[in-house]
Amino acid sequence: AQKITQTQPGMFVQEKEAVTLDCTYDTSDQSYGLFWYKQPSSGEMIFLIYQGSYDEQNATEGRYSLNFQKARKSANLVISASQLGDSAMYFCAMRPQFGNEKLTFGTGTRLTIIP
Amino acid sequence: GAVVSQHPSWVICKSGTSVKIECRSLDFQATTMFWYRQFPKQSLMLMATSNEGSKATYEQGVEKDKFLINHASLTLSTLTVTSAHPEDSSFYICSARGPAGGEKLFFGSGTQLSVL
Repeated sequence: AQKITQTQPGMFVQEKEAVTLDCTYDTSDQSYGLFWYKQPSSGEMIFLIYQGSYDEQNATEGRYSLNFQKARKSANLVISASQLGDSAMYFCAMRPQFGNEKLTFGTGTRLTIIP
Repeated sequence: GAVVSQHPSWVICKSGTSVKIECRSLDFQATTMFWYRQFPKQSLMLMATSNEGSKATYEQGVEKDKFLINHASLTLSTLTVTSAHPEDSSFYICSARGPAGGEKLFFGSGTQLSVL
């Protein structure tokens, strides 16, 4: 079984500041993938970034980076230079690397960017 | 990039009626699609895995007779909520793995179902 824990139900951040959204996970799988999705008020789920458990380098996608600490089982999302459009729900998710493609989601963090 | 189209985006229906939600992969074939349900201010919970040409795989606790899934083609999966009741009111969202494998799962825009 897999479990994702996001301990921050809500965060308020000043525009242009960096923000870190926490995510810890638990799994018995040796190989797995970690994801972050953004869900604006419109409801769609927008893929942000992916990290494979055997990737040696932390994933980066533009302003998004994933701080992957395998030993601590954490996969925090870092957003640099936050923008007003970053206000949304953010979900951390994971799935086994092979076979089962089901994503397990955390409970999410609501991020609000303050002008 | 790959796009998943979901329709309708919102629907209001009377209790006892059935509602069909469509999920289409645009410009790519999706042999597997996933249906999630999301209650207000909660996370997404997987309901079922839709497999093209075969029966869907339902998660524990999800009534297969109530949530009928049909994946008749490589680009279309449908979820039918049969005899809907107010407790079925929720946000339903589908997803599919992108073309040529890859790690991304692309999501539809979701359907907000309100049962009166």
